Amino acid sequence: DAKTTQPNSMESNEEEPVHLPCNHSTISGTDYIHWYRQLPSQGPEYVIHGLTSNVNNRMASLAIAEDRKSSTLILHRATLRDAAVYYCILRDDKIIFGKGTRLHILP
Amino acid sequence: DTGVSQDPRHKITKRGQNVTFRCDPISEHNRLYWYRQTLGQGPEFLTYFQNEAQLEKSRLLSDRFSAERPKGSFSTLEIQRTEQGDSAMYLCASSLVAGGNTEAFFGQGTRLTVV
Repeated sequence: DAKTTQPNSMESNEEEPVHLPCNHSTISGTDYIHWYRQLPSQGPEYVIHGLTSNVNNRMASLAIAEDRKSSTLILHRATLRDAAVYYCILRDDKIIFGKGTRLHILP
Repeated sequence: DTGVSQDPRHKITKRGQNVTFRCDPISEHNRLYWYRQTLGQGPEFLTYFQNEAQLEKSRLLSDRFSAERPKGSFSTLEIQRTEQGDSAMYLCASSLVAGGNTEAFFGQGTRLTVV
């Protein structure tokens, strides 16, 4: 299974944008880039996914590098409720989690 | 509420006892996944199903673990002769179709404590 590399933790101020990076240099042509997040004491929650083009939804935006070897999840205006562990996952079929990035939001 | 239900939410059992967990996926979803998560770690893949067929089992799934999805709807995960190391959150997820171009929906998990 292809691997992703994420920072262990990040901090951001409330109401500011957050850019969560992910490196996936061994991505294959059929891998979709998925992001999930896990709030404390809850199951993981789908955030967004894409293949080659940048994607936007009500929760976030996903910016994918042209060579697909990296991507960035963008939360446009962080709130305290966005404090969670964010997982970047390459998905061909199964969903294999790494350690993720723990995002802290400062009030 | 994602639509994926897990029962029970919490289970405390004595070492050596058998336990069974149930997962009810979103009704039209063909794929069903089981994961285990310990404190501070990401979820670890255990096994997954396409309808009633079990497609893959992780090497983490020892002989004491068995999973079924008898009619392609709900699934059960049984742990026989539980050990303290089995204490974890057990998560279930489902998705509509195979492949990467679809999101998965996770349940709230069953937290197992083996004493």
